[in-house]
Amino acid sequence: ETGVTQSPTHLIKTRGQQVTLRCSSQSGHNTVSWYQQALGQGPQFIFQYYREEENGRGNFPPRFSGLQFPNYSSELNVNALELDDSALYLCASSSGGDRVYGELFFGEGSRLTVL
Amino acid sequence: RKEVEQDPGPFNVPEGATVAFNCTYSNSASQSFFWYRQDCRKEPKLLMSVYSSGNEDGRFTAQLNRASQYISLLIRDSKLSDSATYLCVVNPSGGSYIPTFGRGTSLIVHP
Repeated sequence: ETGVTQSPTHLIKTRGQQVTLRCSSQSGHNTVSWYQQALGQGPQFIFQYYREEENGRGNFPPRFSGLQFPNYSSELNVNALELDDSALYLCASSSGGDRVYGELFFGEGSRLTVL
Repeated sequence: RKEVEQDPGPFNVPEGATVAFNCTYSNSASQSFFWYRQDCRKEPKLLMSVYSSGNEDGRFTAQLNRASQYISLLIRDSKLSDSATYLCVVNPSGGSYIPTFGRGTSLIVHP
């Protein structure tokens, strides 16, 4: 058990809809990263939050957005869902701040299916 | 060229075999390196860090070759329970400290 929890675990949406995924980081961790993992691929970095500020973003369009709250939990929002957004969305917490040198602790992920 | 590249496999080996995976990275200034293990439909979990001097943890040995920009993972005496996907992770530097994952190498250990 990593202490990182994500919700919901599974969800089904249709094209054009919006989705919000949630993540509670491990106690003591102030950094949350979000990754998208398509079937058969490695996790692709979406963005990272440190002390409520986005401090790194991967190659994802603006319809992917996020928040981090004062308790370091985080949300990932995706607007105007597309079929290719179907994937496992992983949240990882760490304590590195803007320089993550150590271990990432992952939640079990939210599996999104877009029909 | 992708930042982190791995042979996706699958590597299909019998129990007791020795198997090795390589992973190449493009950023020569990369700072730190890891191997994660991901079981089917589960989240990735840290297997081991990779140090310049190489490191060993039981049946697992990790090596780093900075000159050739690759890291390796050697698994000796493979067990059925080693069946998983092994993800190479590189922490770049020079302004971006975001861990970058390879696509993973699938290992299947059969009886």
